[in-house]
Amino acid sequence: DAKTTQPPSMDCAEGRAANLPCNHSTISGNEYVYWYRQIHSQGPQYIIHGLKNNETNEMASLIITEDRKSSTLILPHATLRDTAVYYCIVRVAYPGGYQKVTFGTGTKLQVIP
Amino acid sequence: DVKVTQSSRYLVKRTGEKVFLECVQDMDHENMFWYRQDPGLGLRLIYFSYDVKMKEKGDIPEGYSVSREKKERFSLILESASTNQTSMYLCASSPGQGVMYGYTFGSGTRLTVV
Repeated sequence: DAKTTQPPSMDCAEGRAANLPCNHSTISGNEYVYWYRQIHSQGPQYIIHGLKNNETNEMASLIITEDRKSSTLILPHATLRDTAVYYCIVRVAYPGGYQKVTFGTGTKLQVIP
Repeated sequence: DVKVTQSSRYLVKRTGEKVFLECVQDMDHENMFWYRQDPGLGLRLIYFSYDVKMKEKGDIPEGYSVSREKKERFSLILESASTNQTSMYLCASSPGQGVMYGYTFGSGTRLTVV
C-alpha cells in the first residue's frame, strides 16, 4: 500500500483558505488520492478524490502535482465548522474489485475565529 | 440519505466477556470494514469483507473475528474482551466495483473494557 505523510496539525484563520498538504511519494499509476475529514465524535466523511487532474466540488479543491507524489486539499473559505482531522489516503484496489484502505493519523485543522 | 448504522454508541463490558458489535448499511454495498481508532494511532483496519460470508484480515486482526451472513450486516466479535481493546470502533461500507466516492462511515461505538 502506498503510504501518506501529513503534518500533525495546522491552524487557519476563519474566512481564509486552508491548504492541507499530503505526501504520497510511492503512489502507483492506478491509485487514487482520497480526502476525508473527521469531526469530533463522528465517523470520517468523504470530501473529494482524484487521480491526476485537479478536482473541485462544493466542499473543496484537490490539487495533485504532475508527478503525483503530493497533493493539497484546499478549503477556500474556512469556517469554524471545518475544524476537524483531515485524512489523506491512497486507495489500493485488489483483483476482484474489493479494496483495502489504510488511514494514517491525519492533520488536525484548527480554524481560529 | 444513505446510512451506516452501528448498534451502540457507547458500550461497557467486562474483561473476558464475548462482545458483539453490529453494523448495518442500507446502500447495498458489497464491501464492509471494521476499524478501531486510538489517540495518536489513527484508524487501523481490523477486518473487511467484500461479499457475504467472505472476510479478509486487516492490519490488526488479533483478538477479533467477524461475521457477514447477510450483505447489509457486518459484525465484529471480541472473543474474550481485554482492556487493550478499549477503543472507538468504526464501521464503513463501500461499493464493490469502480469506487468513486469511497467509504461511508458509521458514527462509531466507543467500547470500554473494565
